This record gives sequence, structure tokens and C-alpha cells, in this order.
Amino acid sequence: DAMVIQNPRYQVTQFGKPVTLSCSQTLNHNVMYWYQQKSSQAPKLLFHYYDKDFNNEADTPDNFQSRRPNTSFCFLDIRSPGLGDAAMYLCATSLGRTNEKLFFGSGTQLSVL
Amino acid sequence: GENVEQHPSTLSVQEGDSAVIKCTYSDSASNYFPWYKQELGKGPQLIIDIRSNVGEKKDQRIAVTLNKTAKHFSLHITETQPEDSAVYFCAALSLGGDYKLSFGAGTTVTVRA
Repeated sequence: DAMVIQNPRYQVTQFGKPVTLSCSQTLNHNVMYWYQQKSSQAPKLLFHYYDKDFNNEADTPDNFQSRRPNTSFCFLDIRSPGLGDAAMYLCATSLGRTNEKLFFGSGTQLSVL
Repeated sequence: GENVEQHPSTLSVQEGDSAVIKCTYSDSASNYFPWYKQELGKGPQLIIDIRSNVGEKKDQRIAVTLNKTAKHFSLHITETQPEDSAVYFCAALSLGGDYKLSFGAGTTVTVRA
């Protein structure tokens, strides 16, 4: 089945140690998103790519970067994770710019020790 | 920007009873309203959505109603089953705006057997 796949499912990193989370999609969607979700909260949009066009949310910390080398893959890089960055990170896709019908992956649960 | 408020934050119902979750939005330009269900340890999944040119939409045991004048919309789940236990998020989007989906804070639904 076509889907959004996130790896790894759980990631543990140390305070200040760079970490990369990955997302792949077989839906051939143009838009890919990264959301941060903390416990009992709504997902918070960090940034999104429309094709190769990168769109950063104004309140996304500089510590967070993203790469999209091709249509299928997108990466979230956290350069120096802090304790406050521990969260579930969700990748999502949508067919077009109008942002309808998001398809989410299962997420990566990041722990920072 | 859009502000979506969701109530209640938690909801416990007896199996077989109905569950209702209500959301209000602030931006009168919003015209697309999806509902997502998030099970424990998984990403949100779209369960139903409605556009502003429709007042009600139904899909088996779930239905969504929209009151544009009052700027509120609701999710109705009838004949609840244990597998309906999850966190439900409402969201709003202005298709003619900046294409950012604004989520409510979520409702944790527990169906008691």
C-alpha cells in the first residue's frame, strides 16, 4: 500500500548530539511536512516543502533544518537537541499546495537524554 | 491567523452511546474542515472532512456538521465501540489563504465497555 514511512520509530539521542529523522513516501505527493507533537498537544507545523520549495514557519527554531533530496524522501535534522525537543515528530504529505487531506506517517518518538 | 478551539478535552462514553466533539474557528475565510483520529503511538489519520458549501456529511457511524454563520463544526460518533477510543483533532483551513492547517487541541475519547 502507498504510504508515508518514518524511521526510526523511536530515537534516543544525547543532549547536543545531532540527530536526523527520515521520512519517505510512495504517494508521489508534491508536498511534505514536518510536525512536532508534544504530549497531549496538537501537531505543530515546523516547515514544509512544495516540491523543492522550502517553507519555514516563523517560530521554528534555527536548530531545526530539513532536506528534501528528491520527491520521495525528506529529512529532519536537529543540530543540537535540547531537552525541550523531546517529542513525537510527524511527517505528512499532501498532493498539492492547497494542503487538503494530509497523510501522516506513524511518527518518530525522540528522547533526549 | 486562524484559531481553532476544541471541546471537550476529554470524553468518556459507554459503549453504544454517542459522542460529540465541538470546534469553533475564528477566520470566516476558512472553508475546509477535516477531522483526524490519532491512536496511541500512531500518526493522525483523516476520518472525515467537510467543505463550507455543505452543512452535513455522514460516513457510516461518523458525521460532521458545519454552521458557517456561527463558525462552529462538530463531530458525531454514533454506536461507539472500543476501537473508537483515540484522540480526535479538528482542523480548519482557508483554501484561499496561506494553506496552513490549524488544529484544535484534541479530545481524548474513551469508550467504556
